[in-house]
Amino acid sequence: SQTIHQWPATLVQPVGSPLSLECTVEGTSNPNLYWYRQAAGRGLQLLFYSVGIGQISSEVPQNLSASRPQDRQFILSSKKLLLSDSGFYLCAWSVSPYGYTFGSGTRLTVV
Amino acid sequence: GESVGLHLPTLSVQEGDNSIINCAYSNSASDYFIWYKQESGKGPQFIIDIRSNMDKRQGQRVTVLLNKTVKHLSLQIAATQPGDSAVYFCAENAGGTSYGKLTFGQGTILTVHP
Repeated sequence: SQTIHQWPATLVQPVGSPLSLECTVEGTSNPNLYWYRQAAGRGLQLLFYSVGIGQISSEVPQNLSASRPQDRQFILSSKKLLLSDSGFYLCAWSVSPYGYTFGSGTRLTVV
Repeated sequence: GESVGLHLPTLSVQEGDNSIINCAYSNSASDYFIWYKQESGKGPQFIIDIRSNMDKRQGQRVTVLLNKTVKHLSLQIAATQPGDSAVYFCAENAGGTSYGKLTFGQGTILTVHP
């Protein structure tokens, strides 16, 4: 069966520090992968999506970047975190327009 | 730009009542809609979906209704239970070049009182 792993579950980082969040998918090949951010009490905002290794599309200008070094691995990064980067980050995958599964999320607090 | 929004941000019901959560969308090209349930601190969980060639779909205790004429989507939960308390999001997929990219509404907080 397909599973999606996201870590860490929670993270507290100082302003100006780097960030690396990792997401991996098991049990499927060539998935579409997505990074979403959710501010407290708000909906989900799509940050990046990838349709294949090395292929990244950015949806909104921001202080973050994404990479896909392997088929089932999606990484969200920042060189220097801002306070406004705090939020709940969710990875998701799909293999068709009609299937979409989220990971358990990472709660990032920038202090 | 195109967006999906919710009419009501909060909904409180008594255990055993039926709940109806509404969602309006503006992108007439959207061909697929999903309802998600999100509990505090967790990722969204799939509840039910519907394609634009349907106007109703039923699951276990849940029904989704789609009215393409007025671009309206609703989620009905029968015999609501305390475990149904969560934030509910509707999402749309516009298809085409937006393949797989969902646009989410703001969410409705459902509180079920015992």
